[in-house]
Amino acid sequence: ETGVTQTPRHLVMGMTNKKSLKCEQHLGHNAMYWYKQSAKKPLELMFVYNFKEQTENNSVPSRFSPECPNSSHLFLHLHTLQPEDSALYLCASSQTTRGNSPLHFGNGTRLTVT
Amino acid sequence: QKEVEQDPGPLSVPEGAIVSLNCTYSNSAFQYFMWYRQYSRKGPELLMYTYSSGNKEDGRFTAQVDKSSKYISLFIRDSQPSDSATYLCAMSEGRDDKIIFGKGTRLHILP
Repeated sequence: ETGVTQTPRHLVMGMTNKKSLKCEQHLGHNAMYWYKQSAKKPLELMFVYNFKEQTENNSVPSRFSPECPNSSHLFLHLHTLQPEDSALYLCASSQTTRGNSPLHFGNGTRLTVT
Repeated sequence: QKEVEQDPGPLSVPEGAIVSLNCTYSNSAFQYFMWYRQYSRKGPELLMYTYSSGNKEDGRFTAQVDKSSKYISLFIRDSQPSDSATYLCAMSEGRDDKIIFGKGTRLHILP
């Protein structure tokens, strides 16, 4: 398995459910990210982890809760979401958190909140 | 003024044509410029990575940066139907800053 893998690929959940997204990177990178991708909007950075320490929370509502147990794994725990949270959630990794370190993305989880 | 402007398209061109995709930006401190390609139901993949002004060529793809005009371009020669995708520009200052993305341009190559 190479690159950045995300599971599940698709997720449908009700507003009262609790679910988790999983990301694993096999690139030996030190930084991991969660992004939200919505139609006709630029990628929205949600969270940044560097050496498994959270370095950025981009004003994300508390119904999204990240977890990074080590530099290779990243989770996004979801609870009491809203329909407007429906989007493609992308995990990415990079060698460092500096802006000249390009991002490597997974294929995303398509989330639908009903 | 948004930091990075990119026409969302869609842009439809016939197979074999030269495609030009563009982004403009406002932050003169940006030094690192990237193009990502995103196929339907896939994540973005890094296509081109350039530093400062000038051109970079990789096969049928050429990335061009004009820092004086705050304008970057991606040219695709001999376009193929397999080039149909969304192309996102991205840029950064290269320090402890975030990478800023454009909205992406949807490209359709017509057989």
